[in-house]
Amino acid sequence: QQPVQSPQAVILREGEDAVINCSSSKALYSVHWYRQKHGEAPVFLMILLKGGEQKGHEKISASFNEKKQQSSLYLTASQLSYSGTYFCGTRSRNSNSGYALNFGKGTSLLVTP
Amino acid sequence: EAGVAQSPRYKIIEKRQSVAFWCNPISGHATLYWYQQILGQGPKLLIQFQNNGVVDDSQLPKDRFSAERLKGVDSTLKIQPAKLEDSAVYLCASNHIIRTGRGEQFFGPGTRLTVL
Repeated sequence: QQPVQSPQAVILREGEDAVINCSSSKALYSVHWYRQKHGEAPVFLMILLKGGEQKGHEKISASFNEKKQQSSLYLTASQLSYSGTYFCGTRSRNSNSGYALNFGKGTSLLVTP
Repeated sequence: EAGVAQSPRYKIIEKRQSVAFWCNPISGHATLYWYQQILGQGPKLLIQFQNNGVVDDSQLPKDRFSAERLKGVDSTLKIQPAKLEDSAVYLCASNHIIRTGRGEQFFGPGTRLTVL
């Protein structure tokens, strides 16, 4: 049930772009993206509810391919503040667990000057 | 608006001891979640409450873990007795469930538990 994220880690120079992928073996109802900085709570970035939906948040956007059960998070022109661990959380279509999420293991992103 | 509050922030105990964590969700949030986050992993759901009723506790190790949410507001999570593998950050989250809504969850700062 746990979604698979890739890559596990990425190091960028400030201004570079990155893509983080999240895939599931189960049909998905929604995909949530969170960012967690060291020692802090996860912070909500965005949710994607419909197949093919794309959303944006400043220079961070995401897409959701319902047929492939995949989502991708796009970080463009990265800033130092983007450093942290990014988690995707998924809800499956046949889930009976309310709105609880299954989280991936995370992708560690480090942006250097 | 005040966020999700948790206490204590840190706890160190020896194995076989008991420990309790407290969470106060955002005012008006009917749904409350407890997650366990082991170092290097994503949060793993332990239990989900809707008001004061349990929606999902399928991943809660019920032989040692218990949780309650009296009056549908704040919640406590207890471990008795603790094992070494319980060392983790325990995160509380809440949201205001609307079936066709966003479903975003708001997390508290977490309690870091170390079992020696």
